[in-house]
Amino acid sequence: KAGVTQTPRYLIKTRGQQVTLSCSPISGHRSVSWYQQTPGQGLQFLFEYFSETQRNKGNFPGRFSGRQFSNSRSEMNVSTLELGDSALYLCASSLGVPTDTQYFGPGTRLTVL
Amino acid sequence: SQELEQSPQSLIVQEGKNLTINCTSSKTLYGLYWYKQKYGEGLIFLMMLQKGGEEKSHEKITAKLDEKKQQSSLHITASQPSHAGIYLCGAPTGRRALTFGSGTRLQVQP
Repeated sequence: KAGVTQTPRYLIKTRGQQVTLSCSPISGHRSVSWYQQTPGQGLQFLFEYFSETQRNKGNFPGRFSGRQFSNSRSEMNVSTLELGDSALYLCASSLGVPTDTQYFGPGTRLTVL
Repeated sequence: SQELEQSPQSLIVQEGKNLTINCTSSKTLYGLYWYKQKYGEGLIFLMMLQKGGEEKSHEKITAKLDEKKQQSSLHITASQPSHAGIYLCGAPTGRRALTFGSGTRLQVQP
């Protein structure tokens, strides 16, 4: 099976712009979670989608949003970018059942100038 | 909120040596995941532990979850350069949400 894919892999934006990142889960996986990784804060949970519904959300401002499509692919959007949004954004897919394993994609490296 | 503390933060070992990484939780663990990350890349799943006292092994890596379920250890036997990377422990803290430790950076010198 193909693994989790994320596009684009690298992105450079300027402050105030918005950005959309994409994640394609492993075939058959219905849950997609998003994480932000920075040197200062480490890995932090953003939100999780299952069957096109957001089921859980981390402690991030409303500028961070996401959605999931009927084929389980997911996108996350960050509006009004700030310098502090520079990070590695990782998505993880899983079956969506209790105690299953999350499998991570390679990440999208976002740099905000 | 649950916090995971990993020790050591950084480790340099000679090839062939054994090593142990610890992950201590501020609350009872109801599951613990170990991942490995190459710098700037995605996380590679290593093992999942669910029950206190559980121990799992894969190739030269063994992970344990202690009886009181607030600590886990990851042990690598006869380390190789391919083991180099950042090791992260993660605990489930909600629906599909994982809280991670800050990571242990491992370097293996040939």
